[in-house]
Amino acid sequence: AQSVTQLGSHVSVSEGALVLLRCNYSSSVPPYLFWYVQYPNQGLQLLLKYTSAATLVKGINGFEAEFKKSETSFHLTKPSAHMSDAAEYFCAVSGGGFKTIFGAGTRLFVKA
Amino acid sequence: DSGVTQTPKHLITATGQRVTLRCSPRSGDLSVYWYQQSLDQGLQFLIQYYNGEERAKGNILERFSAQQFPDLHSELNLSSLELGDSALYFCASSLGRQDTQYFGPGTRLTVL
Repeated sequence: AQSVTQLGSHVSVSEGALVLLRCNYSSSVPPYLFWYVQYPNQGLQLLLKYTSAATLVKGINGFEAEFKKSETSFHLTKPSAHMSDAAEYFCAVSGGGFKTIFGAGTRLFVKA
Repeated sequence: DSGVTQTPKHLITATGQRVTLRCSPRSGDLSVYWYQQSLDQGLQFLIQYYNGEERAKGNILERFSAQQFPDLHSELNLSSLELGDSALYFCASSLGRQDTQYFGPGTRLTVL
């Protein structure tokens, strides 16, 4: 079985500050891990994906995430927040024939 | 543009009615997923089809049903609608059963 927990339903940062969105997962098999972003009134779109290659995954719009097996984490980071990053972010896990499980989402606010 | 299309974009109907939401996956994708997103419940996985067969079921009510046709498009049927069914309904598609999911723009259902 699999599960995913996103710590913090809301995160607020200042423009130019580091963005850190936390995701912890549970999986009985080697997982595939995803981060998706949802802008207002739009569907989700893939930011990045981990599939057991490099543990540091680079995605679109300057985001990256690091897979840490020992911590069962897949946190999303961006060195410098931009106003356009304000959105909701979803972490997801799949693998081993199990359906993809999405986290509850974290809404990112960016202050000018 | 993800390549996934959903119709209609908006649907307003009354309690007790029945509606059909339609989804066309990206060209070549065999898996179709349906999700419901509401403010109080977040993103809820409803059901997945792979090449015409049901593969996984989530929190789908008995009043709801879905199918995937030979041309791989899918329909989600919602019947005996209640006020609480008002939500955004997303369709997503992927090549395989656990690959990256590409989301459509959603259908906003309002039940009055």
